[in-house]
Amino acid sequence: GQSLEQPSEVTAVEGAIVQINCTYQTSGFYGLSWYQQHDGGAPTFLSYNALDGLEETGRFSSFLSRSDSYGYLLLQELQMKDSASYFCAVSSMIYNQGGKLIFGQGTELSVKP
Amino acid sequence: NAGVTQTPKFQVLKTGQSMTLQCAQDMNHEYMSWYRQDPGMGLRLIHYSVGAGITDQGEVPNGYNVSRSTTEDFPLRLLSAAPSQTSVYFCASRPRGGSNQPQHFGDGTRLSIL
Repeated sequence: GQSLEQPSEVTAVEGAIVQINCTYQTSGFYGLSWYQQHDGGAPTFLSYNALDGLEETGRFSSFLSRSDSYGYLLLQELQMKDSASYFCAVSSMIYNQGGKLIFGQGTELSVKP
Repeated sequence: NAGVTQTPKFQVLKTGQSMTLQCAQDMNHEYMSWYRQDPGMGLRLIHYSVGAGITDQGEVPNGYNVSRSTTEDFPLRLLSAAPSQTSVYFCASRPRGGSNQPQHFGDGTRLSIL
């Protein structure tokens, strides 16, 4: 099966940098994704890593270490609108499970002025 | 540009009633999934499908049925509603061809079972 762990809450101030960690256990690991959700609305895709290293998309970066089964999402120049829940998710390369995306429990980020 | 459409947006049921949550996508995505979200529990996968006629169980499938007769539609059926099924339900879709393809979510169905 699959399991993911991430902190339940993180607080930071506007303009700062924050890192949200995610550790996972899964068979047939394919990649690690990150999603953002505001106020219980539809989650939206942020980033994806299949290979070790850092992926950068504007103010957001995501990192993966396959050997450590670990990844993180890095948010820079925090803005008030970044207050949201952030989820890591793993996908599987096992045949016919490619469509299966398993999510962590989410990290609620609060950005303070 | 509809994306993933879920209906209804809100529903209240009595224990023991059955109902179907509808999900349709217009992006020709092969993969579709149903999740439920409860406070502090994140998004838990109920059932998923990798194409028309192919479905499989996720993490929490008990009490739910699905079918996929077309690429566009993926309805979720509650057979006999229970208070433990009170939750927010999200349908999602994404294309085949690599897990770097983002998953698109509907706006959710808020379901209360009395």
